[in-house]
Amino acid sequence: KAGVTQTPRYLIKTRGQQVTLSCSPISGHRSVSWYQQTPGQGLQFLFEYFSETQRNKGNFPGRFSGRQFSNSRSEMNVSTLELGDSALYLCASRQGMAYEQYFGPGTRLTVT
Amino acid sequence: GQQVMQIPQYQHVQEGEDFTTYCNSSTTLSNIQWYKQRPGGHPVFLIQLVKSGEVKKQKRLTFQFGEAKKNSSLHITATQTTDVGTYFCAGISGGGADGLTFGKGTHLIIQP
Repeated sequence: KAGVTQTPRYLIKTRGQQVTLSCSPISGHRSVSWYQQTPGQGLQFLFEYFSETQRNKGNFPGRFSGRQFSNSRSEMNVSTLELGDSALYLCASRQGMAYEQYFGPGTRLTVT
Repeated sequence: GQQVMQIPQYQHVQEGEDFTTYCNSSTTLSNIQWYKQRPGGHPVFLIQLVKSGEVKKQKRLTFQFGEAKKNSSLHITATQTTDVGTYFCAGISGGGADGLTFGKGTHLIIQP
C-alpha cells in the first residue's frame, strides 16, 4: 500500500497570507490527524477527522481549520499567517481510534 | 487537559551503552504508543501497549507500561548508530476525546 502523502513538501509564505496543505491517507484509513512540530513545542495535536467529521481538536486558535472529503483526503488551512506558524506540519492516518498512526513526510512551512 | 511528560530531553551515550526514556501521564491512559523519528524524517510507529504492567520486546528494545497505566518506558540495550533519533511516547486516555497526546520526545545522540 502507498503511504501517507502530503503536498506541498515545502512552502514559503508571507505574514498575513493564508495557506492550504493537503494530505492523502493510506487507502482504507478513515481517520486523519494533523500535527504541528516545532523545536520548542514538539509535536502538538491540531485536529482529527473521521468520516468527514472533526472528532478531536487541539488547543490552537481558530485561524487553523481543516476538513475531510468523502475519499478521506484532508486539507488543513491556516489563515492570517504569523511568524510563529513556521513549522513542520505532519499528517497521520489510522484505521481507527485504537490503532497506530502512520505519518506522512510533512510540509515544511516557513513564514517570512 | 491531558499532559504527557517525557524525560530526559536529550541523552548522549557511547555506542554500546544502554539507553532509557521515561514517559509519565497526568491521567490514566487507555493505551500508550511509541514512535521514533530519525533526523529529517517523520515519526514512525514502534509499538502499542494496552494492558497494565505489559512488557513487550523488539530485538534490543524493551517497552513497559506501568501498573497504574500512567507511565511507560523504552529501554534500548547496547545502542547502535542506527538508533539515533527522537523517541516519542503518545497516550490516549478515556474515550480519546483529546486525540493522541505526545510527549516532547527524547533525543538520543550516540557517540561512536
